[in-house]
Amino acid sequence: GESVGLHLPTLSVQEGDNSIINCAYSNSASDYFIWYKQESGKGPQFIIDIRSNMDKRQGQRVTVLLNKTVKHLSLQIAATQPGDSAVYFCAEGYGGATNKLIFGTGTLLAVQP
Amino acid sequence: DGGITQSPKYLFRKEGQNVTLSCEQNLNHDAMYWYRQDPGQGLRLIYYSQIVNDFQKGDIAEGYSVSREKKESFPLTVTSAQKNPTAFYLCASSITIYHSGANVLTFGAGSRLTVL
Repeated sequence: GESVGLHLPTLSVQEGDNSIINCAYSNSASDYFIWYKQESGKGPQFIIDIRSNMDKRQGQRVTVLLNKTVKHLSLQIAATQPGDSAVYFCAEGYGGATNKLIFGTGTLLAVQP
Repeated sequence: DGGITQSPKYLFRKEGQNVTLSCEQNLNHDAMYWYRQDPGQGLRLIYYSQIVNDFQKGDIAEGYSVSREKKESFPLTVTSAQKNPTAFYLCASSITIYHSGANVLTFGAGSRLTVL
């Protein structure tokens, strides 16, 4: 597989547990945030996004929380499954332009059976 | 199925050679992008194109070139001027360059370039 997981923080969880992946963003003016999942050898897949006028958004088994005061974003995955094993990274954007997205380095989620 | 196809998946190059990575999309997206991914780093934007026959430099364009002659295609050439070309290259597209609602990036599976 690809080496994108090297040098990344790792979160190891048991199958069935809830996972919380954190991301600190840099620009206080950022108004749009995205979480991506990248499996080994594949391109990133969109998971969920949130705008700065919201604190929380829920999807299927995932919840994103945004704390603008401390510039912190988290992704919660409920009932983690082996298929959730991947690198997860956040992206921040401002001004509405996709070419201005700033991507984080990511966290490797390892789900133990 | 709609999506983005990148080829080749793996490519080896000798120093001093130019190589071209292919990216084709059938999503009818106007905007296309090339990113570089290195271990332990976030994605970095190389070039992007808002529309056919137009493209702009991203944050790390030196040593790369692109063309956008067709809406569906956005090939990336890694030239011999790129000092450290070994990396994982990702092509992406979006409906437009300005995000609104569900206008998110769709990525290809990537191309791994190794310089020998």
